[in-house]
Amino acid sequence: SQTIHQWPATLVQPVGSPLSLECTVEGTSNPNLYWYRQAAGRGLQLLFYSVGIGQISSEVPQNLSASRPQDRQFILSSKKLLLSDSGFYLCAWSRISGANVLTFGAGSRLTVL
Amino acid sequence: KQEVTQIPAALSVPEGENLVLNCSFTDSAIYNLQWFRQDPGKGLTSLLLIQSSQREQTSGRLNASLDKSSGRSTLYIAASQPGDSATYLCAVKDSGGSNYKLTFGKGTLLTVNP
Repeated sequence: SQTIHQWPATLVQPVGSPLSLECTVEGTSNPNLYWYRQAAGRGLQLLFYSVGIGQISSEVPQNLSASRPQDRQFILSSKKLLLSDSGFYLCAWSRISGANVLTFGAGSRLTVL
Repeated sequence: KQEVTQIPAALSVPEGENLVLNCSFTDSAIYNLQWFRQDPGKGLTSLLLIQSSQREQTSGRLNASLDKSSGRSTLYIAASQPGDSATYLCAVKDSGGSNYKLTFGKGTLLTVNP
């Protein structure tokens, strides 16, 4: 069976510090991978998606970036965090074809102070 | 641009009651619609997925319907239990846009009181 792991679960960082959130998927190969952000009072916002190693598409301009160094690894990064980067970050995966059912990780709560 | 709205934003019911959560979308050209459940501080769990050619899907006490032409979906929960308390989100995948993007509603926060 497929599992998705996301860490760290909770992170408190000062403004201007770097960020690295990691996501890995097990039990499948060549998945689509996604990073979503959920801010208070807002719906889920798609930040990045990837259809393969080194292939990253960005949905919104921001100071965040994503990388996919391995088939089942997806990393969300920032060089300098802003207060507005606070939120709940969710990694998800889906199969390349078909119904595109999303399976989510447990999420990472980021607080920027 | 697809927009998804969920009404009500919050709902509180006594245990045992049947209830309906609503989801509407502005562009009826969708590929599928998915209902998720989110517990506080947790990720999303997929409940039901309805393809655009389908009218409804059922899983246990849950039944989701889709009226694509009117841009509406409902999630029916029968005999609600306190364990059903969570935020329920719907999301649509457009048929004509990106193959990867889902548009989410903001969710309905459901509280089932014992």
